[in-house]
Amino acid sequence: DAGVTQSPTHLIKTRGQQVTLRCSPKSGHDTVSWYQQALGQGPQFIFQYYEEEERQRGNFPDRFSGHQFPNYSSELNVNALLLGDSALYLCASSLRFSSGNNEQFFGPGTRLTVL
Amino acid sequence: GEDVEQSLFLSVREGDSSVINCTYTDSSSTYLYWYKQEPGAGLQLLTYIFSNMDMKQDQRLTVLLNKKDKHLSLRIADTQTGDSAIYFCAVNGGGKLIFGQGTELSVKP
Repeated sequence: DAGVTQSPTHLIKTRGQQVTLRCSPKSGHDTVSWYQQALGQGPQFIFQYYEEEERQRGNFPDRFSGHQFPNYSSELNVNALLLGDSALYLCASSLRFSSGNNEQFFGPGTRLTVL
Repeated sequence: GEDVEQSLFLSVREGDSSVINCTYTDSSSTYLYWYKQEPGAGLQLLTYIFSNMDMKQDQRLTVLLNKKDKHLSLRIADTQTGDSAIYFCAVNGGGKLIFGQGTELSVKP
């Protein structure tokens, strides 16, 4: 049973460019959440997708957008990259209705460096 | 908004017990979690506790929850060098997880 997978592993971009990160959830999960983890910090919630719609959003600008596909996989897009967007981007999957326990399983992350 | 605080560093000797502490502000959190992150890796879910419990034990791990003081702790018995990592406390904030800044555990042989 494959866990949460993310691609690519590492990415280097320059300021102003756009980037797309991809995530496949754990088998049987239907909800995908994205988090940004800056160096030395805890993960910060970006947004969550369920039934192909954004259900919750954290305190991130509109430059951050996403998508969920019918097979539950998801993409995170970031436009007009800033130096401050350099971070580890983590995808987490969960089961929407799991008796209240929002147990989230994380992928290995995508390390984004903006130069 | 919800805030989760952790001490930044903890150093112990191999074989000792480690206790990592966490405080949070939102008393409505129903589940509270502990994650482990090794260098260059994602987050591994270690254990969780439901808010109506005071304690949960899972092999070498013991979670204690004091709801009155909004204090959560993770005790690792017989700490090994392989336990060296960053440990994150997280609370369930309406479907999203809110994390502390992480405690770096260093285990010396």
